[in-house]
Amino acid sequence: ETGVTQTPRHLVMGMTNKKSLKCEQHLGHNAMYWYKQSAKKPLELMFVYNFKEQTENNSVPSRFSPECPNSSHLFLHLHTLQPEDSALYLCASSQVIEKLFFGSGTQLSVL
Amino acid sequence: TQLLEQSPQFLSIQEGENLTVYCNSSSVFSSLQWYRQEPGEGPVLLVTVVTGGEVKKLKRLTFQFGDARKDSSLHITAAQPGDTGLYLCAGARGANNLFFGTGTRLTVIP
Repeated sequence: ETGVTQTPRHLVMGMTNKKSLKCEQHLGHNAMYWYKQSAKKPLELMFVYNFKEQTENNSVPSRFSPECPNSSHLFLHLHTLQPEDSALYLCASSQVIEKLFFGSGTQLSVL
Repeated sequence: TQLLEQSPQFLSIQEGENLTVYCNSSSVFSSLQWYRQEPGEGPVLLVTVVTGGEVKKLKRLTFQFGDARKDSSLHITAAQPGDTGLYLCAGARGANNLFFGTGTRLTVIP
């Protein structure tokens, strides 16, 4: 248990569906992150929030929409995804960049 | 262009053997971290190295940061099946930028 909880663990969705991924951290950290992990590719940073403010958007397509209502919760809203968006989506939190705590991830399959 | 290249990509060894994995870059990082990821889980931080030339030991694992802070190595002594997993290095540049390597997938056979 790392203190970062992600739900759901698995998600299958069609290209026309709208779904949301949820992340909650119980560590009192100020920063939260969304990463994408695809087969044969390094972990890709998608979004960073510091004190609820988005500080990084790594050229992510608009079909991915993050939301950070407070320092403990982070959402990733998904709509009209493509099959190539199938991947493991990891949430992380930290107090400093040198020490990230990851959740277990959401394994997403887009049909 | 991949900032951090890890080698080897795959490694399968017998229990009790020693191994070294490498993380190389042409870029300088303020710190470098090593994570281990098991199937179905997120990466878990093993160590952070900050100073060029720094060596850190964690039981049977020895981590070294290159003098120029561009590369790092992880040496495992007497590997055990519990060491099996995906080993990721990550370099920090700035307050929010953490770049992950390509990963080394280690399998230790009992």
